[in-house]
Parts: sequence; C-alpha cells; structure tokens
Amino acid sequence: GAVVSQHPSWVICKSGTSVKIECRSLDFQATTMFWYRQFPKQSLMLMATSNEGSKATYEQGVEKDKFLINHASLTLSTLTVTSAHPEDSSFYICSASTGSNEQFFGPGTRLTVL
Amino acid sequence: AQSVTQLDSHVSVSEGTPVLLRCNYSSSYSPSLFWYVQHPNKGLQLLLKYTSAATLVKGINGFEAEFKKSETSFHLTKPSAHMSDAAEYFCVVSEVDNAGNMLTFGGGTRLMVKP
Repeated sequence: GAVVSQHPSWVICKSGTSVKIECRSLDFQATTMFWYRQFPKQSLMLMATSNEGSKATYEQGVEKDKFLINHASLTLSTLTVTSAHPEDSSFYICSASTGSNEQFFGPGTRLTVL
Repeated sequence: AQSVTQLDSHVSVSEGTPVLLRCNYSSSYSPSLFWYVQHPNKGLQLLLKYTSAATLVKGINGFEAEFKKSETSFHLTKPSAHMSDAAEYFCVVSEVDNAGNMLTFGGGTRLMVKP
C-alpha cells in the first residue's frame, strides 16, 4: 500500500518551453502533497505544500509563477515548470500524506532543459 | 524549529563489515524520525521509522536505528554491509505543527562499499 507514482520519469525539453509533472497516490487519498527539488549530490529541498482544492504554499525563494502547482483531487497533484531554463534542470520528487507524520515518496522525475 | 545533521557526508566500508551512519536532530516537540535510502537516479525508499514506540527500530535489509533522546541521536547501523547497500542515505525528522506535517532532511550520507 501507499504507492505514489510520478510521470514522466525523465523529460528533456528545450529552453523556454513548459513541462508538466504529475504525481499520483495510487491506493490512498492524499490530503496533502509535497514537491521537492534535488540537485545532484545534494539533499531534498521542499518547494511547496499543497492541499486538495486550495492554493499551494510555497517555500521562501520558490517562484510560484514559475512553478505552478495544481492539486485538483485527492489523488493527483501536478507541477508545471513554466518557461523552463537550463538552471531548472533537476530531480523533482513529490510525496503524499494522509495527514499523519509520514510522507510517501514518488520515484522522482528528472528534468533536463537544453 | 527542527533540524537534522548527518555527521558524515561520505562513509566507506568493506563488504561484510559493520555500517554506522550518524544522525543528530533537534526538535521542539516529540519528533518522528526516519531513514530513507536513495539509489542513483531513483526515488526514496523508507528503511525504518521511529514514532515514539520502541527506541530500537528494525527496518528492511537488516538495518536498524536507535532513538536516544538524551543524545538527540538516531544513528543507523547494519552488522554486515553488502555491495547493494551502496547508496545515499537521508535522516529525516518530522513534526506536525499548525502548518501540517513538515519533514526536514539531513544533508545525506553517501555509503560506499568496497569488495
């Protein structure tokens, strides 16, 4: 149980385009979903927290107009990187929580912006 | 506020020898603590978690960790390393506050296993 999927697992795009990453909780309803970013050889950094049906809460320094988060249902959250640039290349990981103290992580999405 | 410090960024052991990955935390409340493993280009896999029950927690793949409140530590150990244990390990502390459930990650420890 508690499986979280992400799609796509790897995406390569041209600079200036937008990329959408999906995060799904497959066998449970997630009241809260989280988006993390991980640079090579570094730890995970929380980007934003989203609750179903409400606006996401972004961490300091994260541009909300660049990283659009939609949490339309209890099993789906999307992260859209708008007008992507090479410096946005990173590993993006989502997690989902039922409100307890544990988060269940997706397998991650590697974004490469050329 | 909570924080996590993984004392070693890299640990190298020989196959068959014990593994010790150190983690210290600070927390305003009674925390929950986790260890995750991440293999290259993969997501996070939960090894074990402490949630105020037994202080010695047994996880998957022979790993265990002991919660020591007096030392604010949650070190991860394994009696005998296997080549497949080579990966990045993250110690994580969780608190539930007014904003909800927040995880704070340590900086990670890269475990290398020599044949």
